[in-house]
Amino acid sequence: NAGVTQTPKFQVLKTGQSMTLQCAQDMNHEYMSWYRQDPGMGLRLIHYSVGAGITDQGEVPNGYNVSRSTTEDFPLRLLSAAPSQTSVYFCASSYSRQGNEKLFFGSGTQLSVL
Amino acid sequence: AQTVTQSQPEMSVQEAETVTLSCTYDTSESDYYLFWYKQPPSRQMILVIRQEAYKQQNATENRFSVNFQKAAKSFSLKISDSQLGDAAMYFCAYRSAYIPPSGPLVFGKGTRLSVIA
Repeated sequence: NAGVTQTPKFQVLKTGQSMTLQCAQDMNHEYMSWYRQDPGMGLRLIHYSVGAGITDQGEVPNGYNVSRSTTEDFPLRLLSAAPSQTSVYFCASSYSRQGNEKLFFGSGTQLSVL
Repeated sequence: AQTVTQSQPEMSVQEAETVTLSCTYDTSESDYYLFWYKQPPSRQMILVIRQEAYKQQNATENRFSVNFQKAAKSFSLKISDSQLGDAAMYFCAYRSAYIPPSGPLVFGKGTRLSVIA
């Protein structure tokens, strides 16, 4: 069982380029989210989704778009990459309506914007 | 807005000894959940332990236990019989009980734990 799969694992972009970070889960989880991890900052929520067709903004949404056309996939789009978006990105999912359920995290994408 | 503070950027412990990692949080809500996540060098996020605010009993998971002090808004993690594999970054996290499960987990900045053989 694959769990939460993120691609790519590493990416280098030039300022102004756009790209999509892919996230897929095979556990039929309703809830999915994107976090970024910066050194010394912990993880911060970018966007999240409570089901197909429903998304909402997190703490740091600027410069990112998401969509949730299927239960399995939750891609994160960088519209015009900036050096401030250099970070490690984590996708996560969970299956329950109870807030104490754990998140299943992907292995992360290391993104560098030059 | 809720905040989570981990005041110890780095800690070290001798193998087989006990170490306590500190976490405090600020909230005006009465119902919430608290978590400790471990992030080894592999970068994978691993849930260590969780606590529901309405439960007075402290959570335990094998060698890991918490000291949850609701009035003091404190949630420390104790690791007993430390092992080399415990070396990692540890994050304390908070989630409101009034939002969906994929809503914000508020993380602290982390404590890097080293285990000395």
